[in-house]
Amino acid sequence: DIVMTQSPDSLAVSLGERATINCKSSQNILYTPNNNNYLAWYQQKPGQPPKVLIYWASTRGSGVPDRFSGSGSGTDFTLTISNLQAEDVAVYYCQQYYSTRPTFGQGTKVEI
Amino acid sequence: QVKLQESGPGLVKPSETLSLTCTVSGGSIGNSYWSWIRQSPGKGLEWIAWIQNSDSTNYNPSLRSRVTISIDASKNQFYLRLTSVTAADTAIYYCAKGGASSIWFDPWGLGTLVTVSS
Repeated sequence: DIVMTQSPDSLAVSLGERATINCKSSQNILYTPNNNNYLAWYQQKPGQPPKVLIYWASTRGSGVPDRFSGSGSGTDFTLTISNLQAEDVAVYYCQQYYSTRPTFGQGTKVEI
Repeated sequence: QVKLQESGPGLVKPSETLSLTCTVSGGSIGNSYWSWIRQSPGKGLEWIAWIQNSDSTNYNPSLRSRVTISIDASKNQFYLRLTSVTAADTAIYYCAKGGASSIWFDPWGLGTLVTVSS
């Protein structure tokens, strides 16, 4: 199975600053015939289910603020939260869906 | 929009079978990938299984021998069955919808906590 590794495990960012979370896959998740990276990012707040933020590595989900952005290709990906707000405190997960057996990263906790 | 709701017992005894139902509302259950995902207390997310169109399934290799996913399109429900449970199966169990051709998850149900204890 494809192993997803996130870094760091946690980070503290000041309000209004930028948070950067990295995600590395153990194998390429770019499907060259359609040039799509099969990667999603989720946000999970305490007591809530995860919510999709980004899919296809860089496409924002419905209603997701534009301070959330995804980038990267192949095996290395980044979720950037610009202008961090108090409501962005959460755990963030990456997930690959290149394989028919999806796998998640271990999560990154973002605090103020 | 599509909503998902998990239901089932919150307490299961060791060695018994965990059975959960996911009820889908606001849309048809046809053609999409429908998944079960779990999260042990304070831990990360673990995909368990998906089903598509009643006849296509896939399972996490680490759970394959104990898991069955099934669907009843007439009821707009899909199901999880996990046999021979142990304390390690204590978790919040989520059901989630994938796309028609890709397996990222949106939306998710609220989740149901299942505790394995005698």
